[in-house]
Order: sequence, then C-alpha cells, then structure tokens
Amino acid sequence: QKEVEQNSGPLSVPEGAIASLNCTYSDRGSQSFFWYRQYSGKSPELIMFIYSNGDKEDGRFTAQLNKASQYVSLLIRDSQPSDSATYLCAVRNDMRFGAGTRLTVKP
Amino acid sequence: NAGVTQTPKFQVLKTGQSMTLQCAQDMNHNSMYWYRQDPGMGLRLIYYSASEGTTDKGEVPNGYNVSRLNKREFSLRLESAAPSQTSVYFCASGLATYNEQFFGPGTRLTVL
Repeated sequence: QKEVEQNSGPLSVPEGAIASLNCTYSDRGSQSFFWYRQYSGKSPELIMFIYSNGDKEDGRFTAQLNKASQYVSLLIRDSQPSDSATYLCAVRNDMRFGAGTRLTVKP
Repeated sequence: NAGVTQTPKFQVLKTGQSMTLQCAQDMNHNSMYWYRQDPGMGLRLIYYSASEGTTDKGEVPNGYNVSRLNKREFSLRLESAAPSQTSVYFCASGLATYNEQFFGPGTRLTVL
C-alpha cells in the first residue's frame, strides 16, 4: 500500500515566523510532488511543484525534496494570517494525496 | 473562462437513490478526475480520464461509474447511494495525466 503521510496539525505559528510543513512517502519510485493549498470550504489550488532533490523557491514558499529519506517539505517564510489553510502534499505519478496539515497563522 | 464547474453544489439523497454529478471544463484539458474528500483522509481518487474516450479506476472506485461525454465533460454516477458515500466530491482537470490539476468548487453530498 503506497502511503503519503502528513501531520494533520493544527500547526500554529505567529505572524512573521517560518512555517514548516512535512510530508513523507512510502513509494521509492515516486519522482515528483505537488503542494496544494486549500482554504476552508474551498477547493485545492497548486502552489508548488518539485521533482529534483534540493530546494525550490517561489516567493515566500520553498519546497524541499530528499528522495533518499523519502520526504518533501514546504517552508513558508514571513507567514501571514492569509496563509492559514490546509496544505496538501501529492505524489505526481499516482495522484495520491496526503491528508493535509492545517496551518494557523496568528496575528 | 469559468475553469472547472460542478453541479450541483449540494445534494441530499436517501439510501438507495441514484444521482449523477456533472463536471465541465473550458480550458481544453485532456485529463479529468473525480476525487472524494473526507475529514482526516485527504483527497482520494475515484476515477480519472486521461483523454477523451478513456476512463480508469483510481483508489476508491467501488460504488461509482463515470462517463467522459466529450473533451469538456466528465460525469460521476452513484447507482445506489450509501451513507458511506457522504463526502465532498471534487472534479479536476489537467493538460495531461500527472500534470498540475485545476479543481472545481466541489459538491457536498449527504446520504441519509
């Protein structure tokens, strides 16, 4: 059974801090990953895509991939209350999602 | 452009009733998907269509059928609804299989 694991949270950080969200996966054949953001009552929207080991930066977001250790993470710098949402990790090649981590950024 | 649209937004069914959830996209995407989302379980793939004329099972296909009516439309049918099918259903589309997916607003279904 292929698994994608995320800590469900809630993860609470103060405004301006760095939020760190983690995702582990069981299938060593997984090559690339998506991070989606889902606001309460809304549909998921893509925020990052990563396929190479190392870091990928896009504005305040940095995705990190470590294939040897089978984890992918998302860092949000200078967190804002508007970042409060559930963040879903997804394995690209089998369209499998983690359960998501709920992030709350407190003003 | 409307993106991905879904109808209805809300539905309440009794056990054993049938219904079809409709999905349409206007982005000229080849691939379309149906997911269900339950609390604490994330999104689970029910069926997908890599291109017009093809459909494949996902992780949780039992109790569902799909039809790729044309390139724009992909419907999900519940033949005999069960309380275990109470969920939020999302349709999504993408340029190709395994590419970024764009999601519709969802259908909240309750089966009594």
